[in-house]
Amino acid sequence: GAVVSQHPSWVICKSGTSVKIECRSLDFQATTMFWYRQFPKQSLMLMATSNEGSKATYEQGVEKDKFLINHASLTLSTLTVTSAHPEDSSFYICSARDGRGTDTQYFGPGTRLTVL
Amino acid sequence: AQKITQTQPGMFVQEKEAVTLDCTYDTSDPSYGLFWYKQPSSGEMIFLIYQGSYDQQNATEGRYSLNFQKARKSANLVISASQLGDSAMYFCAMSVNSGGSNYKLTFGKGTLLTVNP
Repeated sequence: GAVVSQHPSWVICKSGTSVKIECRSLDFQATTMFWYRQFPKQSLMLMATSNEGSKATYEQGVEKDKFLINHASLTLSTLTVTSAHPEDSSFYICSARDGRGTDTQYFGPGTRLTVL
Repeated sequence: AQKITQTQPGMFVQEKEAVTLDCTYDTSDPSYGLFWYKQPSSGEMIFLIYQGSYDQQNATEGRYSLNFQKARKSANLVISASQLGDSAMYFCAMSVNSGGSNYKLTFGKGTLLTVNP
């Protein structure tokens, strides 16, 4: 199956700092990548859809200036949490759509962010 | 709007037995895809199986099969010969591509499966 990597797998930072999370499709080109947030014991919440070479589309209620998304190439999307605060602590997980067959989304292993 | 309903918050099964995880969906779009993902405690979302709305046969992948009943709008996951490593959260999801939706996935709330030895 298709492989998606995500880095870092966990990060602890101080309040007010910015954190960048990378999502890479390793063995396929992904024209579309997605960023999700997941709280404990809950389902995934879509934050934004990222298309290569264009601006990300954010879901209602997600602050685009807070969560900056860049999809610079067909294999890389980044999510930057700017001026992070404790309420931003969460599990962030990306996915990449493999458009060659069934449009299945393959997920990265996730990033656990803790803001002190 | 699309909706996925998983009515079983938790399920228990004995090792080596089969288990069915329920999923119903709602969409007005005639073209859609149905997916099941497994999320162990590590957090990674593992793709298990896919069923297209126009597929005539039920999808199968090893010990996983999808019982697709289009008229009932259900897409239950059947796991045969359960193993201890199957203990995880299972999510049913659906995607459509209409109105520029970009194949966004709509997820259910998940079912926590516990396999007992």
